[in-house]
Amino acid sequence: KQEVTQIPAALSVPEGENLVLNCSFTDSAIYNLQWFRQDPGKGLTSLLLIQSSQREQTSGRLNASLDKSSGRSTLYIAASQPGDSATYLCAVVPLSGTYKYIFGTGTRLKVLA
Amino acid sequence: DGGITQSPKYLFRKEGQNVTLSCEQNLNHDAMYWYRQDPGQGLRLIYYSQIVNDFQKGDIAEGYSVSREKKESFPLTVTSAQKNPTAFYLCASRAYVDQETQYFGPGTRLLVL
Repeated sequence: KQEVTQIPAALSVPEGENLVLNCSFTDSAIYNLQWFRQDPGKGLTSLLLIQSSQREQTSGRLNASLDKSSGRSTLYIAASQPGDSATYLCAVVPLSGTYKYIFGTGTRLKVLA
Repeated sequence: DGGITQSPKYLFRKEGQNVTLSCEQNLNHDAMYWYRQDPGQGLRLIYYSQIVNDFQKGDIAEGYSVSREKKESFPLTVTSAQKNPTAFYLCASRAYVDQETQYFGPGTRLLVL
């Protein structure tokens, strides 16, 4: 059974710092991996989607990498800002069965001004 | 504007009562999903539907029911059999194309009186 883990559960950093969020999954047979942002009491916003054949995706100050063989993904945030404060969730879509997401528990990020 | 709407934003349930959460999308997406999120946890799949008049149980379907009579609508009923319904409920939809992301609604918070 696919399991997704995110470490750390919470992180506080000063403004301007570069940071890395980690996501690990137990089964490398995946369609894709996606990173989402969730603000308190809100829905999820898609940040980056990495297809199984890709190694990384970039959008602005965000860069996500995927290493399927080791079951790991990282989300790199450059020059963090207070507006980046949110919970970041990763999710994988397993190859077997119906197309559906398996979510990690998230990393709650706070960027201090 | 295209998107997903959920109503109400807050919902209160009395003991033994069934309540229905609304989810509507105008994105012309084929697949729709319902997730439950508990504090400090990731999202867990309740039900999903890939086409009108068809739906499947997710990982935590007990105590819930759904219908998919129209492409745009996927209401979720929380029945009295669900003994711990207090949670944040998120609806999502997806175009029926591989590698396509899910789009999320703003969520409904359900509280028990």
